Amino acid sequence: ETGVTQSPTHLIKTRGQQVTLRCSSQSGHNTVSWYQQALGQGPQFIFQYYREEENGRGNFPPRFSGLQFPNYSSELNVNALELDDSALYLCASRASGLASNEQFFGPGTRLTVL
Amino acid sequence: AQKITQTQPGMFVQEKEAVTLDCTYDTSDQSYGLFWYKQPSSGEMIFLIYQGSYDEQNATEGRYSLNFQKARKSANLVISASQLGDSAMYFCAMREAPGNTPLVFGKGTRLSVIA
Repeated sequence: ETGVTQSPTHLIKTRGQQVTLRCSSQSGHNTVSWYQQALGQGPQFIFQYYREEENGRGNFPPRFSGLQFPNYSSELNVNALELDDSALYLCASRASGLASNEQFFGPGTRLTVL
Repeated sequence: AQKITQTQPGMFVQEKEAVTLDCTYDTSDQSYGLFWYKQPSSGEMIFLIYQGSYDEQNATEGRYSLNFQKARKSANLVISASQLGDSAMYFCAMREAPGNTPLVFGKGTRLSVIA
Protein backbone atom coordinates (compact mmCIF):
# COMPACT_ATOMS: atom_id res chain seq x y z
CA GLU A 1 0.00 0.00 0.00
CA THR A 2 1.56 3.27 -1.13
CA GLY A 3 1.38 6.34 1.08
CA VAL A 4 0.66 9.95 0.18
CA THR A 5 3.23 11.44 -2.16
CA GLN A 6 3.80 15.06 -3.14
CA SER A 7 5.84 16.79 -5.79
CA PRO A 8 8.01 18.72 -6.00
CA THR A 9 9.71 18.60 -2.60
CA HIS A 10 11.08 22.12 -2.89
CA LEU A 11 10.23 25.05 -5.12
CA ILE A 12 11.46 28.63 -5.47
CA LYS A 13 9.31 31.20 -7.24
CA THR A 14 9.18 34.97 -7.50
CA ARG A 15 6.33 37.30 -6.63
CA GLY A 16 3.55 37.35 -9.20
CA GLN A 17 4.32 33.93 -10.62
CA GLN A 18 2.00 30.95 -10.59
CA VAL A 19 2.72 27.52 -9.07
CA THR A 20 1.18 24.05 -9.24
CA LEU A 21 1.76 21.50 -6.50
CA ARG A 22 0.80 17.84 -6.90
CA CYS A 23 -0.41 15.13 -4.57
CA SER A 24 -1.10 11.44 -5.00
CA SER A 25 -3.44 10.10 -2.34
CA GLN A 26 -3.05 6.86 -0.47
CA SER A 27 -4.62 3.86 -2.18
CA GLY A 28 -8.34 3.63 -1.40
CA HIS A 29 -8.60 7.22 -0.16
CA ASN A 30 -11.06 9.41 -2.07
CA THR A 31 -10.82 12.63 -0.06
CA VAL A 32 -7.85 14.96 -0.35
CA SER A 33 -7.20 18.03 1.79
CA TRP A 34 -4.56 20.71 1.41
CA TYR A 35 -2.99 22.63 4.29
CA GLN A 36 -0.57 25.56 4.43
CA GLN A 37 1.96 25.59 7.25
CA ALA A 38 3.85 28.83 7.75
CA LEU A 39 7.10 28.77 9.68
CA GLY A 40 6.49 28.22 13.40
CA GLN A 41 2.76 27.65 12.99
CA GLY A 42 0.37 24.74 12.82
CA PRO A 43 -1.11 23.76 9.46
CA GLN A 44 -4.04 25.83 8.20
CA PHE A 45 -6.78 24.25 6.11
CA ILE A 46 -6.94 25.50 2.51
CA PHE A 47 -9.57 23.26 0.90
CA GLN A 48 -10.76 19.69 0.47
CA TYR A 49 -11.82 17.62 -2.53
CA TYR A 50 -14.13 14.65 -2.59
CA ARG A 51 -14.89 12.82 -5.83
CA GLU A 52 -13.47 15.68 -7.91
CA GLU A 53 -15.58 18.37 -6.23
CA GLU A 54 -14.44 20.95 -3.70
CA ASN A 55 -16.47 20.29 -0.56
CA GLY A 56 -14.86 22.55 1.99
CA ARG A 57 -12.69 25.64 1.99
CA GLY A 58 -10.74 27.56 4.60
CA ASN A 59 -10.04 31.27 4.77
CA PHE A 60 -7.91 31.53 1.64
CA PRO A 61 -8.42 33.85 -1.34
CA PRO A 62 -9.63 32.61 -4.76
CA ARG A 63 -6.11 32.70 -6.17
CA PHE A 64 -5.70 29.40 -4.30
CA SER A 65 -7.49 26.82 -6.41
CA GLY A 66 -7.40 23.09 -6.87
CA LEU A 67 -8.38 20.04 -8.81
CA GLN A 68 -8.99 16.40 -8.06
CA PHE A 69 -8.68 13.79 -10.78
CA PRO A 70 -10.61 10.52 -11.28
CA ASN A 71 -7.73 8.60 -9.71
CA TYR A 72 -8.12 10.87 -6.64
CA SER A 73 -4.79 12.61 -7.14
CA SER A 74 -4.93 16.36 -6.68
CA GLU A 75 -3.33 19.67 -7.60
CA LEU A 76 -3.05 22.92 -5.70
CA ASN A 77 -2.62 26.01 -7.87
CA VAL A 78 -1.61 29.39 -6.53
CA ASN A 79 -1.73 32.43 -8.81
CA ALA A 80 -0.11 35.83 -8.33
CA LEU A 81 2.27 34.55 -5.66
CA GLU A 82 2.96 36.78 -2.67
CA LEU A 83 5.87 36.67 -0.24
CA ASP A 84 3.52 35.41 2.51
CA ASP A 85 2.73 32.35 0.43
CA SER A 86 6.14 30.98 1.43
CA ALA A 87 5.28 27.92 3.49
CA LEU A 88 5.18 24.15 3.66
CA TYR A 89 2.17 22.85 1.73
CA LEU A 90 0.82 19.57 3.03
CA CYS A 91 -1.57 17.22 1.32
CA ALA A 92 -3.59 14.71 3.32
CA SER A 93 -5.81 11.90 2.18
CA ARG A 94 -8.46 9.77 3.83
CA ALA A 95 -11.39 7.56 3.00
CA SER A 96 -14.64 9.42 3.64
CA GLY A 97 -17.83 7.77 4.76
CA LEU A 98 -16.22 6.51 7.96
CA ALA A 99 -15.94 8.13 11.34
CA SER A 100 -12.40 7.94 10.17
CA ASN A 101 -9.46 8.45 12.37
CA GLU A 102 -7.13 7.84 9.48
CA GLN A 103 -5.82 10.95 7.81
CA PHE A 104 -2.38 10.53 6.38
CA PHE A 105 -0.16 13.35 5.26
CA GLY A 106 2.41 13.53 2.52
CA PRO A 107 5.94 14.82 3.05
CA GLY A 108 5.00 18.32 1.90
CA THR A 109 6.26 20.82 -0.64
CA ARG A 110 8.38 23.71 0.64
CA LEU A 111 7.55 26.79 -1.40
CA THR A 112 9.76 29.85 -1.19
CA VAL A 113 8.57 33.07 -2.81
CA LEU A 114 11.26 35.69 -3.42
CA ALA B 1 -11.43 31.94 19.12
CA GLN B 2 -8.62 29.46 19.38
CA LYS B 3 -10.04 25.97 19.07
CA ILE B 4 -6.86 24.11 19.98
CA THR B 5 -4.44 25.48 22.55
CA GLN B 6 -0.99 24.09 23.16
CA THR B 7 0.57 26.18 25.90
CA GLN B 8 4.07 24.69 25.84
CA PRO B 9 6.15 26.11 22.97
CA GLY B 10 9.06 23.87 23.97
CA MET B 11 9.72 20.95 26.30
CA PHE B 12 12.85 19.06 27.36
CA VAL B 13 12.88 15.50 28.63
CA GLN B 14 15.62 13.12 29.63
CA GLU B 15 15.98 9.98 27.57
CA LYS B 16 13.93 7.06 29.01
CA GLU B 17 11.72 9.42 31.03
CA ALA B 18 8.02 10.05 30.40
CA VAL B 19 6.73 13.41 29.18
CA THR B 20 3.26 14.98 28.92
CA LEU B 21 2.40 17.45 26.16
CA ASP B 22 -0.63 19.57 26.94
CA CYS B 23 -3.60 20.25 24.68
CA THR B 24 -6.91 21.90 25.43
CA TYR B 25 -9.71 22.33 22.94
CA ASP B 26 -12.88 24.29 22.50
CA THR B 27 -16.01 22.99 20.79
CA SER B 28 -19.75 23.01 21.29
CA ASP B 29 -20.16 19.81 19.28
CA GLN B 30 -20.87 16.57 21.12
CA SER B 31 -19.21 14.48 18.45
CA TYR B 32 -15.59 15.22 17.63
CA GLY B 33 -12.23 13.57 17.23
CA LEU B 34 -8.87 14.50 18.69
CA PHE B 35 -5.55 13.72 17.03
CA TRP B 36 -1.88 13.99 17.77
CA TYR B 37 0.73 14.26 15.04
CA LYS B 38 4.51 14.27 15.15
CA GLN B 39 6.44 16.45 12.71
CA PRO B 40 10.20 15.83 12.45
CA SER B 41 12.45 18.37 10.79
CA SER B 42 11.78 16.67 7.43
CA GLY B 43 8.27 18.15 7.54
CA GLU B 44 6.05 15.10 7.21
CA MET B 45 3.11 14.95 9.63
CA ILE B 46 3.10 11.50 11.24
CA PHE B 47 -0.17 10.32 12.77
CA LEU B 48 0.32 9.12 16.35
CA ILE B 49 -2.98 8.61 18.10
CA TYR B 50 -6.71 9.32 17.92
CA GLN B 51 -9.44 9.77 20.55
CA GLY B 52 -13.12 9.98 19.74
CA SER B 53 -15.33 12.09 21.97
CA TYR B 54 -17.51 9.10 22.81
CA ASP B 55 -14.60 6.77 23.57
CA GLU B 56 -14.69 5.93 27.25
CA GLN B 57 -11.20 4.49 27.38
CA ASN B 58 -8.10 6.59 26.88
CA ALA B 59 -6.44 5.78 23.57
CA THR B 60 -3.05 4.06 23.58
CA GLU B 61 -0.64 3.26 20.78
CA GLY B 62 2.60 1.69 21.92
CA ARG B 63 4.53 4.31 23.91
CA TYR B 64 1.87 6.96 23.21
CA SER B 65 -1.24 7.43 25.30
CA LEU B 66 -3.83 10.15 25.29
CA ASN B 67 -5.05 11.45 28.65
CA PHE B 68 -8.59 12.47 27.70
CA GLN B 69 -10.48 14.58 30.24
CA LYS B 70 -13.70 15.51 28.54
CA ALA B 71 -15.09 17.78 31.25
CA ARG B 72 -11.88 19.81 31.22
CA LYS B 73 -11.67 19.67 27.42
CA SER B 74 -8.14 18.44 27.54
CA ALA B 75 -6.38 15.79 25.48
CA ASN B 76 -2.81 15.54 26.69
CA LEU B 77 -0.31 13.27 24.96
CA VAL B 78 1.88 11.12 27.19
CA ILE B 79 5.05 9.65 25.73
CA SER B 80 6.61 6.97 27.89
CA ALA B 81 10.27 5.94 27.82
CA SER B 82 11.37 8.86 25.63
CA GLN B 83 13.87 8.15 22.89
CA LEU B 84 16.23 10.51 21.06
CA GLY B 85 14.16 9.97 17.91
CA ASP B 86 11.13 11.48 19.65
CA SER B 87 12.67 14.94 19.28
CA ALA B 88 10.26 16.77 16.96
CA MET B 89 7.30 19.14 16.82
CA TYR B 90 4.06 17.70 18.17
CA PHE B 91 0.68 18.98 17.06
CA CYS B 92 -2.71 18.44 18.64
CA ALA B 93 -5.65 18.65 16.23
CA MET B 94 -9.42 18.31 16.31
CA ARG B 95 -12.07 17.40 13.81
CA GLU B 96 -15.59 18.47 14.78
CA ALA B 97 -18.62 16.38 13.82
CA PRO B 98 -16.53 13.67 12.17
CA GLY B 99 -17.20 13.46 8.48
CA ASN B 100 -15.80 15.80 5.91
CA THR B 101 -14.80 18.60 8.24
CA PRO B 102 -11.13 19.61 8.24
CA LEU B 103 -8.58 19.19 10.98
CA VAL B 104 -7.91 22.26 13.12
CA PHE B 105 -4.39 22.31 14.54
CA GLY B 106 -2.74 23.92 17.52
CA LYS B 107 0.55 25.79 17.24
CA GLY B 108 2.57 22.82 18.36
CA THR B 109 5.10 21.93 21.03
CA ARG B 110 8.76 21.33 20.24
CA LEU B 111 10.02 18.34 22.23
CA SER B 112 13.74 17.87 22.74
CA VAL B 113 14.96 14.58 24.21
CA ILE B 114 18.30 14.82 25.99
CA ALA B 115 20.72 11.91 26.29
